[in-house]
Amino acid sequence: KAGVTQTPRYLIKTRGQQVTLSCSPISGHRSVSWYQQTPGQGLQFLFEYFSETQRNKGNFPGRFSGRQFSNSRSEMNVSTLELGDSALYLCASSLYGSTGNTIYFGEGSWLTVV
Amino acid sequence: SQQGEEDPQALSIQEGENATMNCSYKTSINNLQWYRQNSGRGLVHLILIRSNEREKHSGRLRVTLDTSKKSSSLLITASRAADTASYFCATDAVGYSSASKIIFGSGTRLSIRP
Repeated sequence: KAGVTQTPRYLIKTRGQQVTLSCSPISGHRSVSWYQQTPGQGLQFLFEYFSETQRNKGNFPGRFSGRQFSNSRSEMNVSTLELGDSALYLCASSLYGSTGNTIYFGEGSWLTVV
Repeated sequence: SQQGEEDPQALSIQEGENATMNCSYKTSINNLQWYRQNSGRGLVHLILIRSNEREKHSGRLRVTLDTSKKSSSLLITASRAADTASYFCATDAVGYSSASKIIFGSGTRLSIRP
């Protein structure tokens, strides 16, 4: 079956703009989590959604937000982009939740802020 | 700070040799997972070991977990060029919330020389 799909794969935005990234989880998976990966900070947890509810949130400013739809697809939004938001954004899905279960990652969305 | 810290940060070995990577963490965990990431790509799940398990095998991979020392090791036997990647441990920590966050270590960059 199809894996986790993230779109777009690459994008360039200007400082101050906003961006929306999309994630389609593996069919049947109800949990979607998002991570930011940068060379300096490594992989950092952003948030996790389960059945349209945000279940957990990392230590990121309010400019980072997300949501999950009834079909489990998820989007994350970053408003008022800063240069430091340049990163690989990874989405992961799991059947029941990231706790105690294997999570499957997408290929990521490369965001460059100029 | 990161929950998991991998050691070494970088490792270069000859094809055919064994590679061992270590991960240390700070708090009690429910389980620990190892992931592989090829340059600029998503993470691929390798193996999950629960806190009540001490050793697990999957093909050429062997993972050990010592909860008393809060450490885990990943052994890749008979390494191949295709094993060149970054390897991350990820802990599912007890006590954060009912939906614990998965926290990734900083990773070990493994290079296999032909």
